[in-house]
Amino acid sequence: EPEVTQTPSHQVTQMGQEVILRCVPISNHLYFYWYRQILGQKVEFLVSFYNNEISEKSEIFDDQFSVERPDGSNFTLKIRSTKLEDSAMYFCASSDWGGSYNEQFFGPGTRLTVL
Amino acid sequence: AQRVTQPEKLLSVFKGAPVELKCNYSYSGSPELFWYVQYSRQRLQLLLRHISRESIKGFTADLNKGETSFHLKKPFAQEEDSAMYYCALHSGGYNKLIFGAGTRLAVHP
Repeated sequence: EPEVTQTPSHQVTQMGQEVILRCVPISNHLYFYWYRQILGQKVEFLVSFYNNEISEKSEIFDDQFSVERPDGSNFTLKIRSTKLEDSAMYFCASSDWGGSYNEQFFGPGTRLTVL
Repeated sequence: AQRVTQPEKLLSVFKGAPVELKCNYSYSGSPELFWYVQYSRQRLQLLLRHISRESIKGFTADLNKGETSFHLKKPFAQEEDSAMYYCALHSGGYNKLIFGAGTRLAVHP
């Protein structure tokens, strides 16, 4: 069964450094998402992406964040200058169409630790 | 404001006991609700969605618009049901999901 994959599983970085989190969505899916979960808190929506552009973003997704689908398979989340409070689990998800009841398929997550 | 509330962080039951995981929502339109589950060391996966009115792994959830609730129920819990359960609200637009804080279900033998 096809799955969303994410790399790396754990990323440790120094405050102020740039990080890129990578995701490979399910191949025939068209809608892509990033969520994050700070330890002990809710899973929070960051951004949705369709047709090579951001369709919606949350207040969390400020100018330090960007997303890209560089090659038709990978979907990346870049944090330009990491802060301590960016430490969280980051989940990528994809879905095959934009219907309201459509299932989002989640990746296993990347744990980002900012020191 | 759009919000999902799961009041219980932990629900601990014995095998064979009934289970009800509570979920309340706040949404101005017609809500579209889901339950996602995360088993130990596994990814988030869809358990059920209210529109389907289905039973998955013995779990059911009924949307009650009057009480703005979407509680998850199972009449007889099994040990393999032990997991983290998240209630989620589709907020409209491009499929943004709003999650509750999650309830950890622990089923003891």
